[in-house]
Amino acid sequence: DAKTTQPPSMDCAEGRAANLPCNHSTISGNEYVYWYRQIHSQGPQYIIHGLKNNETNEMASLIITEDRKSSTLILPHATLRDTAVYYCTPTSYSGAGSYQLTFGKGTKLSVIP
Amino acid sequence: DSGVTQTPKHLITATGQRVTLRCSPRSGDLSVYWYQQSLDQGLQFLIQYYNGEERAKGNILERFSAQQFPDLHSELNLSSLELGDSALYFCASSPGRIQETQYFGPGTRLLVL
Repeated sequence: DAKTTQPPSMDCAEGRAANLPCNHSTISGNEYVYWYRQIHSQGPQYIIHGLKNNETNEMASLIITEDRKSSTLILPHATLRDTAVYYCTPTSYSGAGSYQLTFGKGTKLSVIP
Repeated sequence: DSGVTQTPKHLITATGQRVTLRCSPRSGDLSVYWYQQSLDQGLQFLIQYYNGEERAKGNILERFSAQQFPDLHSELNLSSLELGDSALYFCASSPGRIQETQYFGPGTRLLVL
């Protein structure tokens, strides 16, 4: 399984861009990188995912380095509602054509007014 | 709202007892995943079912079992409960068994006294 390293916590001023890094140096060539967030004890919320190319959706942008060993999630204009724990989780093959998510400890993002 | 529903929201029981947690996947999704989130272990994958069949196992204890029914809802059975089983239990669903986005339910909070 690919292991991930994320900073335990980060602060971001409201209205500014939040850049959350993730190191996944052991990721395999066919494993995607997924980002989820969890607000309080709610169910994890899907944000974005990618394989090789940078991706953007209505919530965020994902920048993946060319060697795929790290990625950065960008929330372009952070709001107080973005305060959450953000998880970077590569998929990992678990046999029989199935892939699983492996969650680490994530980054606690605090958006400051 | 992810479209995944879980019942009950809260459950309080005593050690040695048995409980059943229920999950209804998003419409059209064939895969259901169960996760356990405790304070010291983080979010851990337990088991996956695809169209009624077990597809992958994670860190699931022998006291725990699951099944997926013909209508695709799933149940997680926890028996001989111990204090350490107190946790949040989430289920997630995805369309199939390949690398697809998993959407999480709101979770069931289990407290074992």
